[in-house]
Amino acid sequence: EAGVAQSPRYKIIEKRQSVAFWCNPISGHATLYWYQQILGQGPKLLIQFQNNGVVDDSQLPKDRFSAERLKGVDSTLKIQPAKLEDSAVYLCASSLDRLGGELFFGEGSRLTVL
Amino acid sequence: AQSVTQLGSHVSVSEGALVLLRCNYSSSVPPYLFWYVQYPNQGLQLLLKYTSAATLVKGINGFEAEFKKSETSFHLTKPSAHMSDAAEYFCAVSDIDAGGGNKLTFGTGTQLKVEL
Repeated sequence: EAGVAQSPRYKIIEKRQSVAFWCNPISGHATLYWYQQILGQGPKLLIQFQNNGVVDDSQLPKDRFSAERLKGVDSTLKIQPAKLEDSAVYLCASSLDRLGGELFFGEGSRLTVL
Repeated sequence: AQSVTQLGSHVSVSEGALVLLRCNYSSSVPPYLFWYVQYPNQGLQLLLKYTSAATLVKGINGFEAEFKKSETSFHLTKPSAHMSDAAEYFCAVSDIDAGGGNKLTFGTGTQLKVEL
């Protein structure tokens, strides 16, 4: 079974530029999550989708971050414009169901903002 | 909102020694609790999960964790450390969000170092 796929693995940009990350979850997983992991910290949930609807985006900085999952399968997370403090690993995860289910994580996209 | 506290950002043990990684949760109701492991430059992998079926939970790679309601703890242990156990370990608690969905909140992580 293929795992959660993310791209790109690494991205370096200058502040005020834009960047986009892509995630393809495990086939059949209805729930998709984007987490931000800053160095030395635990992952922090940015946004959660159930199929193509947003369940929780309370921690997403909406003035600069956006995410979509238009067809309920793959998802894109965008940052525009980027700030230095956005340097982090962006982890995508998916799960079969929403309640107590195991989350399967991709390898992450490491963003460095200069 | 639920939270977890991991005591000790770095733990060092000798190969063959007991591994003990501490996690305390904040909740009056037994939640779902998880331990995840993260190897360098990789995503998180589930080690084990507590869902109230049993207080002692066995996971992969010889790890286990015991849920203690009286202490609000869910510490991770392994009787004998192996060099391959060197990684970062995250405790996490599952909460039900406003939309009825599953929200996983992670601790700050514990970096495990295994020495010869």
